[in-house]
Formats: sequence, C-alpha cells, structure tokens
Amino acid sequence: AQSVTQLDSQVPVFEEAPVELRCNYSSSVSVYLFWYVQYPNQGLQLLLKYLSGSTLVKGINGFEAEFNKSQTSFHLRKPSVHISDTAEYFCAVSVNRDDKIIFGKGTRLHILP
Amino acid sequence: EAQVTQNPRYLITVTGKKLTVTCSQNMNHEYMSWYRQDPGLGLRQIYYSMNVEVTDKGDVPEGYKVSRKEKRNFPLILESPSPNQTSLYFCASRQTGGASYEQYFGPGTRLTVT
Repeated sequence: AQSVTQLDSQVPVFEEAPVELRCNYSSSVSVYLFWYVQYPNQGLQLLLKYLSGSTLVKGINGFEAEFNKSQTSFHLRKPSVHISDTAEYFCAVSVNRDDKIIFGKGTRLHILP
Repeated sequence: EAQVTQNPRYLITVTGKKLTVTCSQNMNHEYMSWYRQDPGLGLRQIYYSMNVEVTDKGDVPEGYKVSRKEKRNFPLILESPSPNQTSLYFCASRQTGGASYEQYFGPGTRLTVT
C-alpha cells in the first residue's frame, strides 16, 4: 500500500526567503503526486500535480515541485515566500486514476516578518 | 461557479443526537468523498462514492453513514455522535476516468460533540 510522509510538521521561514517543504512517498508501482494548500479557515485547493512527463512541475502562486523517482520524493519549493503563503500544505499520492488519494499529515508554513 | 458546498459550516451538538451534514457539487463529478481533519493526523478518508448508489468505506468509517441517491449530493450521517467525532469535516469531488485528478473541496464543517 502506498503512503506519504511529510518530514516537517512546521516550517518557519523569513519573508522573501526561499522554502522547501519535503515529501516522501512509498509505493511499489507508478504514482500520481499532488500538493494541496489550505489557507486559514478554508478548504484545500490544488497547488500542483505530477501525472507523467517532465519531473519539474510548476503550480500556482510561484510554487514548483520536483518528482524524484529514485529518492521517492516530491519536494515543494518557492524561491521567495510572502506573508500570504502562510498556510498548511499537504502532499498526496494516488496509484491510479480512480484510486483514492492518500494525504500526508501536513506541513504548516509560518512566514516570519 | 464550480463549487462544493457543505452545510452547516459550524455545528455544536450533544452525544447521541443524530445529525446530517450535507454536501453538494455542481460539476457533474462522479467521485465524491468525505474526510475528517484532526491536528497532527492530516486528512483521513471516511467514505467515498464512485457514482450514484455506489459507496465504499475509507480509512475511518466507524460511526458514520453515507448515501448517494443523486449524483450531486453526498450527505454524511452521524446516527449517534460521540465526542471523538469532534473534528473538521471536508467533502470533496472529482472526475473519474479522465486526465484531470484534482479534487475540489468544500469549505469544511466544524463539528463539536459534547
């Protein structure tokens, strides 16, 4: 069975600094990978997804993620964060198009002024 | 506007008093799902439905029921709520069988059971 591990429960970072949120997955078959963002008091929305093709995926709000099959990772990055990026970020994995999506436990991103 | 709606958004109830949280989507999605979100545990799937009249248990189905009589609606029923069901609940929907796998989430229902 597949699983997702988000290595940091909280990440503090100064405004305008770069950030990386780490995600590792385990699966014996090919996977589809997602990052979702949850702003305070809101539901989740999709940031980006990897289905196939280029391993570098660009998403909304300047985020990108790189799929690394050999390291079974899908880390999320942004070169310069803003206060508005304060949110909880969830990595998720699915093994086929109709299978359920497994979510990680989330990483809370704190932007420091 | 494409959206998933949930009602109510906030609910405080007492142990044992049956309640229903409604979920509706206007995107003609086949797949719908319920999750609960608890601090430090992320999102855990309660039930999901691949289409009308087809429902399946997720990871934490105990104490919950669902039904899917219409494509757009997927209510979550707690027949005898207990305090350990105090949580933030999300309904979600998506297409199946296509290239798009994005799940669309509702705004959440915060339930407190005393």
